[in-house]
Amino acid sequence: GDSVIQMQGQVTLSENDFLFINCTYSTTGYPTLFWYVQYSGEGPQLLLQVTTANNKGSSRGFEATYDKGTTSFHLQKTSVQEIDSAVYYCAMRDYNQGKLIFGQGTKLSIKP
Amino acid sequence: EAAVTQSPRNKVTVTGGNVTLSCRQTNSHNYMYWYRQDTGHGLRLIHYSYGAGNLQIGDVPDGYKATRTTQEDFFLLLELASPSQTSLYFCASRAGQGEANTGQLYFGEGSKLTVL
Repeated sequence: GDSVIQMQGQVTLSENDFLFINCTYSTTGYPTLFWYVQYSGEGPQLLLQVTTANNKGSSRGFEATYDKGTTSFHLQKTSVQEIDSAVYYCAMRDYNQGKLIFGQGTKLSIKP
Repeated sequence: EAAVTQSPRNKVTVTGGNVTLSCRQTNSHNYMYWYRQDTGHGLRLIHYSYGAGNLQIGDVPDGYKATRTTQEDFFLLLELASPSQTSLYFCASRAGQGEANTGQLYFGEGSKLTVL
């Protein structure tokens, strides 16, 4: 069945470090891919999305490339700040389906 | 700004109790969703709907019922609550196909349920 896998449950970095969060997906269709961010005490909110394979999405300094060959959608940021501390979710939606499937989430903690 | 409102925000019940979580969206969105959030599992889809009177089964539906009474309102029902249903529940909405921002989910602030 369809799935989204985030292997990193928690990532701890210092300010100005490089961020890389792994995400892979499995589906038979041509999904739209998303990254959502959830700050403490809030609901998740959209960070970025990419509809077309091999395209890149970016927002607030974060980037992710839709790699259909490796079925991956890794999230990157060159220099993290303390305000980036949050839980990050990778998600997928098949064009023909109404549902969105989320990964397990990665908690990012930034040491000041 | 899209708005999704959940109630109650906190609920404590006992095993076997009856619980209804409510969600209202004022976005005129077609799709509405119920997720549960648990450490190590992320967000898991319980039920969803693409319009009033419609219900689709998600990935973890056992023990839950849902009803979409209007375009705005989506309810999650736990008729015999169990401790395994202790969780943080999120409702979300999104526009349907052919409308702007069809992919983006707008989430409520969550309803924390504790089953003793």
